[in-house]
Amino acid sequence: NAGVTQTPKFRVLKTGQSMTLLCAQDMNHEYMYWYRQDPGMGLRLIHYSVGEGTTAKGEVPDGYNVSRLKKQNFLLGLESAAPSQTSVYFCASKITSGISYEQYFGPGTRLTVT
Amino acid sequence: ILNVEQSPQSLHVQEGDSTNFTCSFPSSNFYALHWYRWETAKSPEALFVMTLNGDEKKKGRISATLNTKEGYSYLYIKGSQPEDSATYLCAPAYSGAGSYQLTFGKGTKLSVIP
Repeated sequence: NAGVTQTPKFRVLKTGQSMTLLCAQDMNHEYMYWYRQDPGMGLRLIHYSVGEGTTAKGEVPDGYNVSRLKKQNFLLGLESAAPSQTSVYFCASKITSGISYEQYFGPGTRLTVT
Repeated sequence: ILNVEQSPQSLHVQEGDSTNFTCSFPSSNFYALHWYRWETAKSPEALFVMTLNGDEKKKGRISATLNTKEGYSYLYIKGSQPEDSATYLCAPAYSGAGSYQLTFGKGTKLSVIP
């Protein structure tokens, strides 16, 4: 199993450009999450999904949109990138409901917005 | 937004020393506490999930305890080795609204000096 994969690994955008980050998991997990990680801030939840076709906002959703059209994929979109969105983005997945189940993380995408 | 505090922010220890650090969190509606280990240039990996007051978990030289009534957990590393160098994250989960989410602390960065 590949686990959780993220595409791309690195990207540089100019202010105002758009892009989509792809997260894929092959573990048949129901729950998927997008986090951003900034120096001194820890991991902050952007959006999450509890199943195919459902999404919900996390702590810092502004400027991002998400879609979960297929169970194995969770897409994070930036419609008009801003320098404040320079960050490392992590995707994670979890098998199902039950707070004691662990999340599995992808390798991260480093995004720079100039 | 929940206040999850980890201390210290960072520490350096000599190889062979034992060390410990703290995670404190709101105790109201607490359900579970997750500990993750995050090595540089990798993604976070789950260490423990703890739910019961007085719980103690152990994995090799690493152990953790949980006090749900006062809202804290300790992570202990016995006889630190250079490969223990990483950032250790804690993340409590709560029942009710937001039960799908984890709120991560900012982490304790451990450096073990050979």
